[in-house]
Amino acid sequence: GENVEQHPSTLSVQEGDSAVIKCTYSDSASNYFPWYKQELGKRPQLIIDIRSNVGEKKDQRIAVTLNKTAKHFSLHITETQPEDSAVYFCAARGGATNKLIFGTGTLLAVQP
Amino acid sequence: GAVVSQHPSRVICKSGTSVKIECRSLDFQATTMFWYRQFPKQSLMLMATSNEGSKATYEQGVEKDKFLINHASLTLSTLTVTSAHPEDSSFYICSGSLTDTQYFGPGTRLTVL
Repeated sequence: GENVEQHPSTLSVQEGDSAVIKCTYSDSASNYFPWYKQELGKRPQLIIDIRSNVGEKKDQRIAVTLNKTAKHFSLHITETQPEDSAVYFCAARGGATNKLIFGTGTLLAVQP
Repeated sequence: GAVVSQHPSRVICKSGTSVKIECRSLDFQATTMFWYRQFPKQSLMLMATSNEGSKATYEQGVEKDKFLINHASLTLSTLTVTSAHPEDSSFYICSGSLTDTQYFGPGTRLTVL
């Protein structure tokens, strides 16, 4: 089945710097890759997603890139702010199902 | 955007009792709902996929007789934890699927004493 690896597990940056989180997936048929932000004790919130027919997508300070050949995708946050501090999860949906398999999460801390 | 509610938000129960958690899609019809559990500082682990009007599909290692799932309508799915034990204590989160996207409920913190 699908397996998703996520790195790093923790990331600390200074306010204003950029943050990059990377994920790899195993199922070459995977076709949908969302990113979720989860604050402590809260629900995961979708922040951006990308489909396999697109290589890059951007929404203001957030961007996601997808390399299907290498089977990895990355989240880029520019001009980080303290309110960006949270746990970020990548996920991949296998080609044969509508299930999402989540990465292990990255705890992002933005230092003011 | 699509909104999913979950009830209750917190529940404390005694070992051996059963607990029911409700998941509702408020402004869309979710033909598929998903149930996850999340332990502290860990990722979301899919427990089962619930399709309206049919039996749920459970992930490997999840006991279907312990975690009963019912998806009676396009806006409501329920998870019943039967004969709960302390090791079932966790954060249970549901999601409703609208096209590709999954929208999550606020979660239910279950504590079994």
